[in-house]
Amino acid sequence: DGGITQSPKYLFRKEGQNVTLSCEQNLNHDAMYWYRQDPGQGLRLIYYSQIVNDFQKGDIAEGYSVSREKKESFPLTVTSAQKNPTAFYLCASIGEGQGNYGYTFGSGTRLTVV
Amino acid sequence: DAKTTQPPSMDCAEGRAANLPCNHSTISGNEYVYWYRQIHSQGPQYIIHGLKNNETNEMASLIITEDRKSSTLILPHATLRDTAVYYCIVRGRLGQTGANNLFFGTGTRLTVIP
Repeated sequence: DGGITQSPKYLFRKEGQNVTLSCEQNLNHDAMYWYRQDPGQGLRLIYYSQIVNDFQKGDIAEGYSVSREKKESFPLTVTSAQKNPTAFYLCASIGEGQGNYGYTFGSGTRLTVV
Repeated sequence: DAKTTQPPSMDCAEGRAANLPCNHSTISGNEYVYWYRQIHSQGPQYIIHGLKNNETNEMASLIITEDRKSSTLILPHATLRDTAVYYCIVRGRLGQTGANNLFFGTGTRLTVIP
């Protein structure tokens, strides 16, 4: 079945470390997105990419970086510049299917700073 | 993109219909209404979307008022597994806006009671 795979499911980071969250999709979707969710909050957009080798900052891009070298992959790096990285991170993609213009989401990565 | 207003929480008895309202009074003519739900610690799941007409699929029905300023998501026979946060979102059709991203507010926390 097609879908989005995020890994790892749980990730622990020490202060000052960079960590990379993986997001892979086999849906042949062009556009991919990274969201951050804090407890009791909605989703906030970090970065998005509408095509390979191109990406744009979302609302809270500071302290994060991304790459889009392949259509299937959109990894997110949480850098040491991100002062409050503990959160639930969601990757999504969107493609123009038969009448469904909705997102497909991964199952998320929960990042904790220790 | 138009913003939405949803009640923060609702309860529904198991087996009964759950009717989740959403106000989107600033919706423009080319904006769709989307509904997603998020079960705890999972990625949001697409439920349904519509433009003007009422829509029904295997998960739910979407009723959009004639003036399009509000809508209602109906889960016809709620089960305990329907307990989740439900998000109502409005946005233009894929490709008509720059970011194609969806704004997720805090949604409605639906609790299905045995």
